[in-house]
Amino acid sequence: GAGVSQSPSNKVTEKGKDVELRCDPISGHTALYWYRQSLGQGLEFLIYFQGNSAPDKSGLPSDRFSAERTGGSVSTLTIQRTQQEDSAVYLCASSLVINSNQPQHFGDGTRLSIL
Amino acid sequence: SQQGEEDPQALSIQEGENATMNCSYKTSINNLQWYRQNSGRGLVHLILIRSNEREKHSGRLRVTLDTSKKSSSLLITASRAADTASYFCATDAYNNNDMRFGAGTRLTVKP
Repeated sequence: GAGVSQSPSNKVTEKGKDVELRCDPISGHTALYWYRQSLGQGLEFLIYFQGNSAPDKSGLPSDRFSAERTGGSVSTLTIQRTQQEDSAVYLCASSLVINSNQPQHFGDGTRLSIL
Repeated sequence: SQQGEEDPQALSIQEGENATMNCSYKTSINNLQWYRQNSGRGLVHLILIRSNEREKHSGRLRVTLDTSKKSSSLLITASRAADTASYFCATDAYNNNDMRFGAGTRLTVKP
């Protein structure tokens, strides 16, 4: 596809369940980013990948959050034992390389609601 | 944590007027980017300005950067209803790799 694709677009689940969010970046983009956006708020940086490597995981809110990227392409963000405060829109972006002079291309996000 | 802080938080203007949004940041940067987000959508990159640049233009957009004041402004001239969106600045103050976003300015352009 031409842009960054995220799935599912919406996810409603019960507190305590695990969820897996998927991001399919633009083909050829080596850098991939995950952000969280609460209602009407700015973007909270979670993690970035250069290839399959995530050098800094300190942005993940808790040890219930994990992320991986395989084959330098698709990434998954997993939230275990979900809590109501995890409700937010999770945005993924990709860029050609990991450098702040590169524009980031965003997907439309996954809207996660924890009941 | 966030690096840039946009001001104002919300701005409402009439179509045809100019809209100015400001971004302040705390530490030295290499690059600053502006993005736009329509409701329910992802962010779209608008413009990048490097630390050695003072002004850039793209269509009806004009971005300025004042590194001595650690601030940037985004001017949208002759605004249209379709410009209604949230606008975010992002800076690379933590390293030269990832960008950190501010809380955004919600712009409403009334027809």
